[in-house]
Amino acid sequence: DTAVSQTPKYLVTQMGNDKSIKCEQNLGHDTMYWYKQDSKKFLKIMFSYNNKELIINETVPNRFSPKSPDKAHLNLHINSLELGDSAVYFCASSQKAYEQYFGPGTRLTVT
Amino acid sequence: GEDVEQSLFLSVREGDSSVINCTYTDSSSTYLYWYKQEPGAGLQLLTYIFSNMDMKQDQRLTVLLNKKDKHLSLRIADTQTGDSAIYFCAESMKGQNFVFGPGTRLSVLP
Repeated sequence: DTAVSQTPKYLVTQMGNDKSIKCEQNLGHDTMYWYKQDSKKFLKIMFSYNNKELIINETVPNRFSPKSPDKAHLNLHINSLELGDSAVYFCASSQKAYEQYFGPGTRLTVT
Repeated sequence: GEDVEQSLFLSVREGDSSVINCTYTDSSSTYLYWYKQEPGAGLQLLTYIFSNMDMKQDQRLTVLLNKKDKHLSLRIADTQTGDSAIYFCAESMKGQNFVFGPGTRLSVLP
């Protein structure tokens, strides 16, 4: 059973398009996160949601918007994609403060 | 703001011990973590330590925390080729505001 899953695994799209990445966790965790990992492997937190409330919103462009239809899902919507958005995006979830479970990542390529 | 630093590369011979070092700046960090990322995969939590601990051992892994110097290390005993990966140090304040280091790429030579 996959604990944290993301779809799609790969996403190739053109500049200016709008796309979404889905994340689901079947662990019953209260908090979910989105991270961006750039080509140099630097990992930055973008958002986290706790009980459907945004509790961290780092300085990401407002073209990025997280949407959580329920506790098990946190989707990432990206409008007007730019070349610099190309990266691997990881979803994660946690219940205990000292444990995070990561999804396999979505490699986004903007051409 | 908070910052976490690591050396970017480490090479060891199979069977030797690996020591990956990390420094952080946020003295209010309550949890410190080590994650492993294999090629094309997500991050896997290896181990964590609370800020009120000095050491934690889990099979081949030993974590040492020097809170005064804000220094964290991960020692992998009897390093194997399967240990080749990127290792990320991270810190958080009670599970919030996770900050990750740049990752140390460990290469294990046969």
